[in-house]
Amino acid sequence: DAMVIQNPRYQVTQFGKPVTLSCSQTLNHNVMYWYQQKSSQAPKLLFHYYDKDFNNEADTPDNFQSRRPNTSFCFLDIRSPGLGDAAMYLCATSRDLPRLAGDGETQYFGPGTRLLVL
Amino acid sequence: DQQVKQNSPSLSVQEGRISILNCDYTNSMFDYFLWYKKYPAEGPTFLISISSIKDKNEDGRFTVFLNKSAKHLSLHIVPSQPGDSAVYFCAASGGNQGGKLIFGQGTELSVKP
Repeated sequence: DAMVIQNPRYQVTQFGKPVTLSCSQTLNHNVMYWYQQKSSQAPKLLFHYYDKDFNNEADTPDNFQSRRPNTSFCFLDIRSPGLGDAAMYLCATSRDLPRLAGDGETQYFGPGTRLLVL
Repeated sequence: DQQVKQNSPSLSVQEGRISILNCDYTNSMFDYFLWYKKYPAEGPTFLISISSIKDKNEDGRFTVFLNKSAKHLSLHIVPSQPGDSAVYFCAASGGNQGGKLIFGQGTELSVKP
């Protein structure tokens, strides 16, 4: 009964070779997020989709793109992976975005995909 | 500019005792705070949250306290169990962050039998 599923769990790619990570959810949540977590660091938001609306973080490199073809699926594309892109990539979902002050939305995370760049 | 800080990278506690994990933040616009637990090779699992309109939220063995004036929150686990051994992240959202969570760097809790 996994709710946020990420495939694959481990991905090895070559320097400069495009790679796609996938995420699916059974929660029917409106919002899907992609985070990057490097070793011993805090997860860092790359971008999120609110329904079909794409929201990029200002400091997310152009090398990272995302697609959300439907409510259930979201993909992270890394066009030309560098050695510095080796990390754990976490997908998360939330029912909605916060509407009112103090009215937070819990995010639910998948197990992550660990990316290794050779 | 780290807006959410967990200054203790690790904590070791005896089984049955209280574990207290601390988190400080700098952005006074944050209005919602969460704690996540993470086992190795797994994604973070939601544990407990608190809105800025409260100063305490309790769920079973887990209690989160929020001190807005000090910009500090803490997670209390009592009694601690060996299965609680994991990395604990605090996260904050609100202000102009939209739905974005800002995470601390995590505290690794080890509960010894």
